[in-house]
Amino acid sequence: SQTIHQWPATLVQPVGSPLSLECTVEGTSNPNLYWYRQAAGRGLQLLFYSVGIGQISSEVPQNLSASRPQDRQFILSSKKLLLSDSGFYLCAWSNNGNQPQHFGDGTRLSIL
Amino acid sequence: SQQGEEDPQALSIQEGENATMNCSYKTSINNLQWYRQNSGRGLVHLILIRSNEREKHSGRLRVTLDTSKKSSSLLITASRAADTASYFCATTFEDYKLSFGAGTTVTVRA
Repeated sequence: SQTIHQWPATLVQPVGSPLSLECTVEGTSNPNLYWYRQAAGRGLQLLFYSVGIGQISSEVPQNLSASRPQDRQFILSSKKLLLSDSGFYLCAWSNNGNQPQHFGDGTRLSIL
Repeated sequence: SQQGEEDPQALSIQEGENATMNCSYKTSINNLQWYRQNSGRGLVHLILIRSNEREKHSGRLRVTLDTSKKSSSLLITASRAADTASYFCATTFEDYKLSFGAGTTVTVRA
């Protein structure tokens, strides 16, 4: 069966520090991968998605970047965090764009 | 941008009662999906209904879709405390990316 792992679960970082959040999927190949951010009490905002290794599409201009160095690995990064980067970050995968997405347990990021 | 809009924003019901929440969207869709999110966790997929389908069932869940009104409803029958969660609708269109609403928070009282 397929599983998705996302870590860390919580992270507290100072303003201006770098960020690296990692997401890996097991049990499937060539999945679509997604990074979302969720503000408190709100829905999900799509940040990045990828349909293959090295293929990244950005949905909103921001202080973040994403990379897909391996088929089942998706990384969210920042060189210098801003206060506005605080939030709940979720990684997800799907077999293709028209199928259900499967989510990791998220990373709660707090910027001080 | 968020296309789906859930209504109501919050719902409090007694255990054993039914819970109904609605979702409205603005553009044509390929499919509409419902997800559940327990506090502080990731989303769990519940049901996918295609644009040419009108109703779907899964256990105690019933989803309807009215494309003429651009709306969908999720009914949870005989609710349990474990159904306490936020429920989101999400739509896909030509680009197959999910567009989420802000969600309905359901509280089931024992």
